[in-house]
Amino acid sequence: NAGVMQNPRHLVRRRGQEARLRCSPMKGHSHVYWYRQLPEEGLKFMVYLQKENIIDESGMPKERFSAEFPKEGPSILRIQQVVRGDSAAYFCASSPSPSLIDTQYFGPGTRLTVL
Amino acid sequence: QKEVEQDPGPLSVPEGAIVSLNCTYSNSAFQYFMWYRQYSRKGPELLMYTYSSGNKEDGRFTAQVDKSSKYISLFIRDSQPSDSATYLCAMSAGGSNYKLTFGKGTLLTVNP
Repeated sequence: NAGVMQNPRHLVRRRGQEARLRCSPMKGHSHVYWYRQLPEEGLKFMVYLQKENIIDESGMPKERFSAEFPKEGPSILRIQQVVRGDSAAYFCASSPSPSLIDTQYFGPGTRLTVL
Repeated sequence: QKEVEQDPGPLSVPEGAIVSLNCTYSNSAFQYFMWYRQYSRKGPELLMYTYSSGNKEDGRFTAQVDKSSKYISLFIRDSQPSDSATYLCAMSAGGSNYKLTFGKGTLLTVNP
């Protein structure tokens, strides 16, 4: 059973460009969570999605950030007009149920560098 | 005051030592407590999971939760160089509350 997959693993963007981060959950998992890890900081919850629905985006910055989890294909975290402060590691996790706290499995992360 | 406080270290110990890692928290609603291990440039991997207060043991790892003190610990016995990683504590109120609140992580190095 393949784990959570994220791509790209490393992404370099110039200020003002768009960044698209992809997450394929584990087989059988329909719940996806995105977390951001800033340098010297712990992981911070950003958004929780089920297929075709955003359930909780309370951790998402109000502007430039969006997320989706379409019926077919991976979940996408999109950052428009990136700024240097967006440089971080972005992790997604998936679970078969939101209430099973111990079954959030994390992917390897995408490391975004904004020049 | 941050919801979860964790000393970032770094912590360096000789092989075979007993390691103690700790977190404190302020949110009394937290009921689920987890320890993740994160190797450099990798995603967090769940090590231990505890509900409410008490101890849980798994091989060389023991997790302790003291809800009255809002304090959790992870002990590693007979530490190995392969244990060198960043250890993250994480907590949740549980139930329909799926959000994990993480500490900053403690960087541990076990020297052979």
